[in-house]
Amino acid sequence: QQQVKQSPQSLIVQKGGISIINCAYENTAFDYFPWYQQFPGKGPALLIAIRPDVSEKKEGRFTISFNKSAKQFSLHIMDSQPGDSATYFCAASSGSARQLTFGSGTQLTVLP
Amino acid sequence: ETGVTQTPRHLVMGMTNKKSLKCEQHLGHNAMYWYKQSAKKPLELMFVYNFKEQTENNSVPSRFSPECPNSSHLFLHLHTLQPEDSALYLCASSTRTWDTGELFFGEGSRLTVL
Repeated sequence: QQQVKQSPQSLIVQKGGISIINCAYENTAFDYFPWYQQFPGKGPALLIAIRPDVSEKKEGRFTISFNKSAKQFSLHIMDSQPGDSATYFCAASSGSARQLTFGSGTQLTVLP
Repeated sequence: ETGVTQTPRHLVMGMTNKKSLKCEQHLGHNAMYWYKQSAKKPLELMFVYNFKEQTENNSVPSRFSPECPNSSHLFLHLHTLQPEDSALYLCASSTRTWDTGELFFGEGSRLTVL
């Protein structure tokens, strides 16, 4: 019930391409869905987040698409750059930071 | 110093050693967390402190012992660890545990248990 399933585990994209990472959840009480970005040797950092009252949120080249009925959300990275190469974690919570449940991560490699 | 700072960055210890990980946050937050990060697994929440009080212990073995002397400092005391405890240990902070807000992570302490 508390799991967040993330796919794919790894992703290789050419520079300029679109990177898409998907997450699915079961707990309908989740109401906050952030994505964290982690570079090698660094801790995760918040990239973008969405709440279920909207179906899409865009910040620059990064977009979250949210499908409440399917209990799925995804991260789209447009015009992917080598500097975007990192591990991306989706997460979900129901009301508080201490209840964040993380996905298992996607290692993105953007080839130059 | 800014953000969340963790020391040491790397630690190698034998199964009979006692060591401690330290975390310090300069963000004025009141909540601090310990997470365990293993390869290809979700981040595992270990302990949560809110205003210096432990609010959560996610069934963590007693060989891990947290300490939070004030809202800015968090320690993880380690003793008689097992090789499977080798992982990256991340400290994080947030304004308060009940806020649905951003977690600010440190760079982690890479622990290897021989």
